[in-house]
Amino acid sequence: DSGVTQTPKHLITATGQRVTLRCSPRSGDLSVYWYQQSLDQGLQFLIQYYNGEERAKGNILERFSAQQFPDLHSELNLSSLELGDSALYFCATARGDSQETQYFGPGTRLLVL
Amino acid sequence: LAKTTQPISMDSYEGQEVNITCSHNNIATNDYITWYQQFPSQGPRFIIQGYKTKVTNEVASLFIPADRKSSTLSLPRVSLSDTAVYYCLVGESSGGYNKLIFGAGTRLAVHP
Repeated sequence: DSGVTQTPKHLITATGQRVTLRCSPRSGDLSVYWYQQSLDQGLQFLIQYYNGEERAKGNILERFSAQQFPDLHSELNLSSLELGDSALYFCATARGDSQETQYFGPGTRLLVL
Repeated sequence: LAKTTQPISMDSYEGQEVNITCSHNNIATNDYITWYQQFPSQGPRFIIQGYKTKVTNEVASLFIPADRKSSTLSLPRVSLSDTAVYYCLVGESSGGYNKLIFGAGTRLAVHP
């Protein structure tokens, strides 16, 4: 158990819908990273927040957005969902904003029908 | 855009030493190299991190040559439970922020 929690564990929705994934970091971690992993694909970095501010951006679609709240939990919002958005979404947290070890949550499995 | 390159897959047998190499030609001066292990449907788990030369912990060793353009993860005496995907991670500085790039991953299969 990494100490990082993600909810929900599973999510089934329809195309065109909007969902919100939640990540609670380990105690003391200020950075939250979001990753997408499609079937048989590697991990794709989406975005990083550090202490409430956006810190780094990867290949995140415009339909996706994220934020980190004052209590340091983070939410990833996925809108206008498409079949291709079906994937595992992981968050990872770390103490600082770079180079530190990232601790991954168990992931949210999203299925878009 | 720089990226890392790893072998797609490797096979080994129980008790053997496994070495997985990652190429990262454009690694920045202040970047570290980190390796993660991932089992199916689980989040990646940290294995080891290093900056240069050699780092060893209870599960693996990491060898980094002087030019830092590659790194090698060494798993001594693998067991069936080491069957997993192994990712190499380097940070890439761009515009003042660190972009994180995972390698494609190496799928290691350990056979009895």
